[in-house]
Amino acid sequence: DIQMTQSPSTLSASVGDRVTITCRASQSISKWLAWHQQKPGKAPKVLIYKASSLESGVPSRFSGSGSGTDFTLTISSLQPDDFATYYCHQYKHYPNTFGQGTKLEIK
Amino acid sequence: QVQLQESGPGLVKPSDTLSLTCAVSGGSISIANWWIWVRQPPGKGLEWIGEVYHSGSTNYNPSLKSRVTISLDKSNNLFSLKLSFVTAADTAVYYCAKDLGAVAGAWGQGTLVTVSS
Repeated sequence: DIQMTQSPSTLSASVGDRVTITCRASQSISKWLAWHQQKPGKAPKVLIYKASSLESGVPSRFSGSGSGTDFTLTISSLQPDDFATYYCHQYKHYPNTFGQGTKLEIK
Repeated sequence: QVQLQESGPGLVKPSDTLSLTCAVSGGSISIANWWIWVRQPPGKGLEWIGEVYHSGSTNYNPSLKSRVTISLDKSNNLFSLKLSFVTAADTAVYYCAKDLGAVAGAWGQGTLVTVSS
């Protein structure tokens, strides 16, 4: 299975901060990577697919980049609604796999 | 916009078969899409279970493959998950989803299934 490793596992930040979450795949997945946001007790929500394509309705402060094995999710200016857990997800190889999650907390 | 809604028993006995359905509204499951099941044990991360294409072709996680069946019910516009010989380790929130790697990807709200006698 492809291992997806996110860093950091926990991130403390303030409203207005620019934050970056990284995701590394154990082998190349080209651009076949999605990012999902999950709030406590809620279902995940797709933010980004194909490494950098923003899902409809997702604010433009979210952006994704990368290819091959190294990817980033950037939030340009944190808003109160953004404090959540973020998961990367590769769908190049079967079985699809997810990162362990990055919990974004209020500082 | 497609919406998905899981349903099924919230409690399953050990060694029994877990059966869930995902009702799709706002779109047809017969269109070219992947229909997916993912689970999340309490307090843990996400695990991909498998998927079915609109044609009926399937892919499963090898860790579950011998116990899993995912199928389409085109007449009722839904798809299903069956997981046999369950144990406490199968206790999780089960999500259905559509096209998580393509435009208009969507998740259902999830349903908690507890395996206990």
